[in-house]
Amino acid sequence: DTGVSQDPRHKITKRGQNVTFRCDPISEHNRLYWYRQTLGQGPEFLTYFQNEAQLEKSRLLSDRFSAERPKGSFSTLEIQRTEQGDSAMYLCASSPRTGHYEQYFGPGTRLTVT
Amino acid sequence: LAKTTQPISMDSYEGQEVNITCSHNNIATNDYITWYQQFPSQGPRFIIQGYKTKVTNEVASLFIPADRKSSTLSLPRVSLSDTAVYYCLVGSYNAGNMLTFGGGTRLMVKP
Repeated sequence: DTGVSQDPRHKITKRGQNVTFRCDPISEHNRLYWYRQTLGQGPEFLTYFQNEAQLEKSRLLSDRFSAERPKGSFSTLEIQRTEQGDSAMYLCASSPRTGHYEQYFGPGTRLTVT
Repeated sequence: LAKTTQPISMDSYEGQEVNITCSHNNIATNDYITWYQQFPSQGPRFIIQGYKTKVTNEVASLFIPADRKSSTLSLPRVSLSDTAVYYCLVGSYNAGNMLTFGGGTRLMVKP
């Protein structure tokens, strides 16, 4: 197992465009998380899935953001009508049912909105 | 979740032991203390977790006094590759299990 993977690693887009990021968790992990991290800050929680069910969303996740996890496997995070304030590192993490305190993070997708 | 306070930055030299202290005065009975490490352009990586007293693994030790209002992450004999940001997190990790990160401590290890 190669761990959590994210694609793309970098994305540059113009303001107003839509972008979609993909996360592939560790195969046996049923919990998947999305975080956002801006320069010099710690990651901030965005949303959380248990299998295919999205169980929690942060207030940071505006209506322009949507996340899915079809079939409880990979997940996508879409940002519509991107704004410059959306520029950040988007991190995905997964964890197994047990050992819940330990989350395994992917390398992140760096989004730059110009 | 209990708020944590840790130094913004620390400097050390190769081969030294580094101790990073985290204050969490409002820690709840069910809360655990967890530390993550993050290198530039990478996601955070779990280092160690504890509830009380001392926990040791192959990477670090975690010291927690009886009142649990603080904790100390100890990194033995650091090397240049230990230069990273270290985050102290406190929470019961029930239900949603989302992690709440603070600003972390930027450790710079010098040759």
